[in-house]
Amino acid sequence: AQSVTQPDIHITVSEGASLELRCNYSYGATPYLFWYVQSPGQGLQLLLKYFSGDTLVQGIKGFEAEFKRSQSSFNLRKPSVHWSDAAEYFCAVGALRGKLIFGQGTELSVKP
Amino acid sequence: DAGVTQSPTHLIKTRGQQVTLRCSPKSGHDTVSWYQQALGQGPQFIFQYYEEEERQRGNFPDRFSGHQYPNYSSELNVNALLLGDSALYLCASSLQGRLETQYFGPGTRLLVL
Repeated sequence: AQSVTQPDIHITVSEGASLELRCNYSYGATPYLFWYVQSPGQGLQLLLKYFSGDTLVQGIKGFEAEFKRSQSSFNLRKPSVHWSDAAEYFCAVGALRGKLIFGQGTELSVKP
Repeated sequence: DAGVTQSPTHLIKTRGQQVTLRCSPKSGHDTVSWYQQALGQGPQFIFQYYEEEERQRGNFPDRFSGHQYPNYSSELNVNALLLGDSALYLCASSLQGRLETQYFGPGTRLLVL
């Protein structure tokens, strides 16, 4: 069955510290992988996506993610977190004909 | 260029009622997908519309139905509302040939009392 797991429900980091959000997926074929961010009361904004090629992908707002097929992972990273990064982050896999399967989300809090 | 728009932004209904949510896709997009996001959860796929037809459907009961108009806008209808239908309903638009790239609207927050 296709699924996405985000093991961390809530993470708190200090402003300026590095960040890594974990994502593991289960999908039979070569996956399309996505990271979205959602601020309170807002829709989803695409941070970055992986379709093929270079396994390290760059996104908006200084985020990057690395696809590791052997670990079925697509972890999101940022070298220095800003207070404005506090939000909910969702990892998703693109299934057949554009259907997205989302993880449960990781809520990020940023300490001043 | 307007992005994906949804209306209304918030809605309060009572159990057993019916509700209609609306979505206008991004200019040039022809495919609309609907997702339900319960509190504290990730979005779940409801269904997708293209050429005014439901093309695929997630694991939702028949109380959830939809429609797409010739101008590509779409509606989500939910009948016989249950308390558990309280959620943020998100619309996403894309191009049929580029389904991997979807743009999400701000959502409609539905509260069922």
